[in-house]
Amino acid sequence: AQKVTQAQTEISVVEKEDVTLDCVYETRDTTYYLFWYKQPPSGELVFLIRRNSFDEQNEISGRYSWNFQKSTSSFNFTITASQVVDSAVYFCALSEARGGATNKLIFGTGTLLAVQP
Amino acid sequence: KAGVTQTPRYLIKTRGQQVTLSCSPISGHRSVSWYQQTPGQGLQFLFEYFSETQRNKGNFPGRFSGRQFSNSRSEMNVSTLELGDSALYLCASSLGTSGDIAKNIQYFGAGTRLSVL
Repeated sequence: AQKVTQAQTEISVVEKEDVTLDCVYETRDTTYYLFWYKQPPSGELVFLIRRNSFDEQNEISGRYSWNFQKSTSSFNFTITASQVVDSAVYFCALSEARGGATNKLIFGTGTLLAVQP
Repeated sequence: KAGVTQTPRYLIKTRGQQVTLSCSPISGHRSVSWYQQTPGQGLQFLFEYFSETQRNKGNFPGRFSGRQFSNSRSEMNVSTLELGDSALYLCASSLGTSGDIAKNIQYFGAGTRLSVL
C-alpha cells in the first residue's frame, strides 16, 4: 500500500535559521513520483517540486533544496535562511505512474512551519 | 494565465441538503481532480475526470459524485450532507495527457470551504 509519513507535525524556527522537513514514503511500485506542496493560510496548494523514482539527484532552487534517497525511502526538504513568508503547511505527496497519466496524489499529514521574526 | 478557479469560496449548509461545487481548470488543462481536506483525515483523493470521463476514484461513498463538461470545467456534488462532510474541497487541474508524465503536475485552486450544520 502507498503511504507518506511526515512525522513532524509542527516546527518553529527563528528567521534565518535553516530547517529540514522530513518525508518518508512507502510504495511497491518501481516507478513513482514524489512531490512537495506548500499551503499558505489562503488554502491553495502551491506546487514546489516533483521528482521521479529514477532520478536521485538532489535539487536546489534558491533557498530550497531537496534530498531524495531511495535507500531510505525519504524525500526531505530543506529551507535555508528561513523567512517569515515561508510560514505555511508543507505537504509531501506520492503518485504512482500507471499507464502514463495518473493524477491520484497520496499526501502526508503535513508539517506546519512557523518562522518567527 | 489564470489559475484554477473554484466557486463558491465558502458555503454553509444543513444536514440532509445537497451541494454543488464548481471548478474551472487552467486553460488547456483537460484533467480535473478533487480532494477533500479535513483536520482528522487530511488530504484525500475523491476522483479525477479527463475528457468528461471519470478516470479514477477514491474511497468515498456514492453520495459524492462529479462530472466534467466539454470545456473541462468540473462540478462535484454531495447529496444528503452529513456533519462529517464539513471540509475544504480542493480542485486541481493538469494537462492530463498520458504518455508524457512530465506534463501531469497538478495545480490547485484555493478551495471551497463547506460547513455543514
